[in-house]
Amino acid sequence: DQQVKQNSPSLSVQEGRISILNCDYTNSMFDYFLWYKKYPAEGPTFLISISSIKDKNEDGRFTVFLNKSAKHLSLHIVPSQPGDSAVYFCAASEETGANNLFFGTGTRLTVIP
Amino acid sequence: DTAVSQTPKYLVTQMGNDKSIKCEQNLGHDTMYWYKQDSKKFLKIMFSYNNKELIINETVPNRFSPKSPDKAHLNLHINSLELGDSAVYFCASSLRLAGARSYEQYFGPGTRLTVT
Repeated sequence: DQQVKQNSPSLSVQEGRISILNCDYTNSMFDYFLWYKKYPAEGPTFLISISSIKDKNEDGRFTVFLNKSAKHLSLHIVPSQPGDSAVYFCAASEETGANNLFFGTGTRLTVIP
Repeated sequence: DTAVSQTPKYLVTQMGNDKSIKCEQNLGHDTMYWYKQDSKKFLKIMFSYNNKELIINETVPNRFSPKSPDKAHLNLHINSLELGDSAVYFCASSLRLAGARSYEQYFGPGTRLTVT
């Protein structure tokens, strides 16, 4: 039973435009959310995170939005660059317990020059 | 200067064999993890471990066992390998302090295990 879902397996965006990656979750106990970026043959790399007490967190070109009532978060990348082409994983964690991360299945972003 | 390293990067072996994958982190983290990424690219937690406790995902067969000689290492031993064990295995680490950064995990490059 997958608690974190990324329903779009792929996304293509023109360079310079905005990329929006979406993520939904079902577990209301999740209170910390992260986005990871993964290149082929490498491990996931932490990108940006957000606590459930916030609805927005921004870091340079990357902004994560959280809508707790809808159990939905999104990652905005603007402007998109060819180097952003990778697989993006959404992950969530409960405050208590083992600090385990529950991952979505990823969205492959392709930024077209 | 690699933060989280795993060896080997590729491992091909036959059914029934016993194998180990090693993981080391030089970040001074106190918690380490093993994840399995299956053929559908789904990353799933297998274990988390710090000095005090090992937490096992109940869906992991007991043929899999983590062994930690010290805080910087968490090795994964797999007995009686099966075809379904073929996957990419990722090691990760984090620092369990109060505050936001306690949830950020740093991943190794992965070990692609192929069981024939």
